[in-house]
Amino acid sequence: GAGVSQSPSNKVTEKGKDVELRCDPISGHTALYWYRQRLGQGLEFLIYFQGNSAPDKSGLPSDRFSAERTGESVSTLTIQRTQQEDSAVYLCASSLDSYGYTFGSGTRLTVV
Amino acid sequence: RKEVEQDPGPFNVPEGATVAFNCTYSNSASQSFFWYRQDCRKEPKLLMSVYSSGNEDGRFTAQLNRASQYISLLIRDSKLSDSATYLCVVNGISGNTPLVFGKGTRLSVIA
Repeated sequence: GAGVSQSPSNKVTEKGKDVELRCDPISGHTALYWYRQRLGQGLEFLIYFQGNSAPDKSGLPSDRFSAERTGESVSTLTIQRTQQEDSAVYLCASSLDSYGYTFGSGTRLTVV
Repeated sequence: RKEVEQDPGPFNVPEGATVAFNCTYSNSASQSFFWYRQDCRKEPKLLMSVYSSGNEDGRFTAQLNRASQYISLLIRDSKLSDSATYLCVVNGISGNTPLVFGKGTRLSVIA
């Protein structure tokens, strides 16, 4: 597609439920990144995929968070047993090289 | 020390004013530098890259001082549409290491 596509755009879930967020990167972009942005805060790195290399999971805040990517296409970020502090906008970006990212419009997650 | 530090602002300036934002970064091995713009409740978008020699794009000028680990963005002749949060962004020493984003500086251009 022309841009990075994320779904759903909004998600309200009850505390304790699992959620799955999806990201479709720009076709041909080998690198894919997940960031989190809490209200009024900066972007917080979560995880990074580069081609077929092992992902860099150094930013995942707890073992409730996991992500997968199929080849160089779709990625899913899964949050298990959601907590209220997980409420944030989850942003996905893709890039062809280190020359700047293209972000999706994000998934706004609200845990009630 | 935070990896990327910016004055959060807000900077409230009249239309037509010149405004400058500064940013410092902690990793002396950083190789790539950018300014992103983020509008309210929107995703960040690349504004411009920052080169060692300094670079200009219309009303926007970016400069890098590696010795001081300092990046600046100058906006001339501010427009109402420049109102946004400006994010200073730095990456690591090689390849596609994840970009590190500053928390941003908020600019409001007032009529």
